[in-house]
Amino acid sequence: KNQVEQSPQSLIILEGKNCTLQCNYTVSPFSNLRWYKQDTGRGPVSLTIMTFSENTKSNGRYTATLDADTKQSSLHITASQLSDSASYICVVTLMDSSYKLIFGSGTRLLVRP
Amino acid sequence: DARVTQTPRHKVTEMGQEVTMRCQPILGHNTVFWYRQTMMQGLELLAYFRNRAPLDDSGMPKDRFSAEMPDATLATLKIQPSEPRDSAVYFCASGLVTGVAYEQYFGPGTRLTVT
Repeated sequence: KNQVEQSPQSLIILEGKNCTLQCNYTVSPFSNLRWYKQDTGRGPVSLTIMTFSENTKSNGRYTATLDADTKQSSLHITASQLSDSASYICVVTLMDSSYKLIFGSGTRLLVRP
Repeated sequence: DARVTQTPRHKVTEMGQEVTMRCQPILGHNTVFWYRQTMMQGLELLAYFRNRAPLDDSGMPKDRFSAEMPDATLATLKIQPSEPRDSAVYFCASGLVTGVAYEQYFGPGTRLTVT
């Protein structure tokens, strides 16, 4: 069954600290993996997209890694800011004609001053 | 700055009433998606269209939900009759799908409450 699992479910950190969010997937056939940020009351916004041949991709203070062999990905946030408080959703695209996205349940991050 | 727009942003209705949600995708995008998000289930794909043709609506309860795309600038999601368990945020997203690494842009969502 195609699944995307994320951990932790929620996380609280102090402003300025780093954190790492985890994603494991059992999606086949795999095409690419995305990380989305969703602020409260808004739609998700794409942070990164990585194909199976990419190991890492950065977007400002966000760095995503992908290990296609172990089917694991992580999102590292450096020097967190209050505006980083949001849900972070890991999403895998199916490699078939549907190009459907399989969503994880997300990690809720709260950055405290 | 092109955006996906959705109306209404909020809807409160009584059980049994018909609900229609509307979405205007970004001009030039060939694929439109409808999602439902709840605290318990996260984001679920309900249906999607490519070049206005329905490709997959397997995530949708067929007896009460219907999705249409009458033209390239409008997608609709209808619930009739609505039930309290339909309370959720409904997102529309659009993208220009020419390969697997397409970007999907989400609208602000419609928050539906069925009492």
